[in-house]
Amino acid sequence: NFMLTQPHSVSESPGKTVTISCNCSSGSIASNYVQWYQQRPGSAPTPVIYEDNKRPSGVPDRFSGSIDSSSNSASLTISRLRAEDEADYYCQSYYSGNRVFGGGTKLTVL
Amino acid sequence: EVQLVESGGGLVQPGGSLRLSCVVSGFTFSSFEMAWVRQAPGKGLEWVSDVSSSSSTTHYADSVKGRFTISRDNAKNSLYLQMNSLRAEDTAVYYCARRWGHFDYWGQGILVTVSS
Repeated sequence: NFMLTQPHSVSESPGKTVTISCNCSSGSIASNYVQWYQQRPGSAPTPVIYEDNKRPSGVPDRFSGSIDSSSNSASLTISRLRAEDEADYYCQSYYSGNRVFGGGTKLTVL
Repeated sequence: EVQLVESGGGLVQPGGSLRLSCVVSGFTFSSFEMAWVRQAPGKGLEWVSDVSSSSSTTHYADSVKGRFTISRDNAKNSLYLQMNSLRAEDTAVYYCARRWGHFDYWGQGILVTVSS
């Protein structure tokens, strides 16, 4: 069964860099694009990365995405952390006609 | 400005039906695929269904296949989700989303509660 597995939570201090992983359970992570969405409490999700590593207009360059075929995973890296980055982050990809989300990672900015 | 506004949610008994609507503005609705994504209370995101721009193709998550039907009316800039045989596990906030490869714009969501 195709799954995208994320850590339940991560935390880091303001100004630091944090990386959130998204592990693909079957098939190749490189076979389909990976997206990342940010969801602040009480709000709808918004995309921060699409097509593995592209940033939508308005998303700061502190956000970056990458794919690692050797570990079959995708990563979202946020540098120069700010308090406003505190949110839930979800990876998303595709499998056999289905759109699949990871379980989400809660980012706490200490 | 792109806007997506959902309506039609509420409380329904198990086994009942509900129809969600999503009215959009700020873009050419007929040019885009559209989708429904839901989020159970305190849980993560779950893709439910999507429909092509011309309604020729639809996809459904296994969890709703045979019970939910997605449709659209391009003349009314509207997306719909007909939900039948509702179960307690369908309780969630339902989001309407525009799909341009990824889900690039989302509505604010509408709560559906399935309970007796």
